[in-house]
Amino acid sequence: QQQVKQSPQSLIVQKGGISIINCAYENTAFDYFPWYQQFPGKGPALLIAIRPDVSEKKEGRFTISFNKSAKQFSLHIMDSQPGDSATYFCAASMWSPQGAQKLVFGQGTRLTINP
Amino acid sequence: DGGITQSPKYLFRKEGQNVTLSCEQNLNHDAMYWYRQDPGQGLRLIYYSQIVNDFQKGDIAEGYSVSREKKESFPLTVTSAQKNPTAFYLCASSIGVFADTQYFGPGTRLTVL
Repeated sequence: QQQVKQSPQSLIVQKGGISIINCAYENTAFDYFPWYQQFPGKGPALLIAIRPDVSEKKEGRFTISFNKSAKQFSLHIMDSQPGDSATYFCAASMWSPQGAQKLVFGQGTRLTINP
Repeated sequence: DGGITQSPKYLFRKEGQNVTLSCEQNLNHDAMYWYRQDPGQGLRLIYYSQIVNDFQKGDIAEGYSVSREKKESFPLTVTSAQKNPTAFYLCASSIGVFADTQYFGPGTRLTVL
């Protein structure tokens, strides 16, 4: 119940195309869903995040779609660029009674944008 | 420059030796976290600390130990009891309780020979 399942493991998209990465979860206690972007040899950085009371959030070329009933959420990257080539992690978060955030990460998707 | 620093970037140790990974932050964040990342896997939580002199086990704490004597520092010791210590270790911090965003350091790649 603590798992977050992410697909695909790897994705190749042509420059200018749409990249789509999907995640699914089971635990309804999760109430915050961030996406992190990681470049090789670096730490992950927060890209965009959503709460379950909205179905979509858009920031520039990045959009999260959220389906609460299906317990699924996805990241869409519009007009994908070579600089978007990185590993993307979805995550789901809950808080302990003491207020500590516990993030559960998906397995990651290695995205390659071909020029 | 505010941020999280981890040192060293690469670390090599012989099997059976304890090793301590450094994590320092100057963001004035209360909460700090340690994660382990293995190839093809997501990050897994080792330990976290919400306040100085207090810390809790995460999902994979066996074979690891931490201390939080200063707000800025959260070192992780990988002990000889950790069966498979070779991995990429990431430190993160957040403002405090119920904070949404965790900020990650650049990581330390530990290789045990």
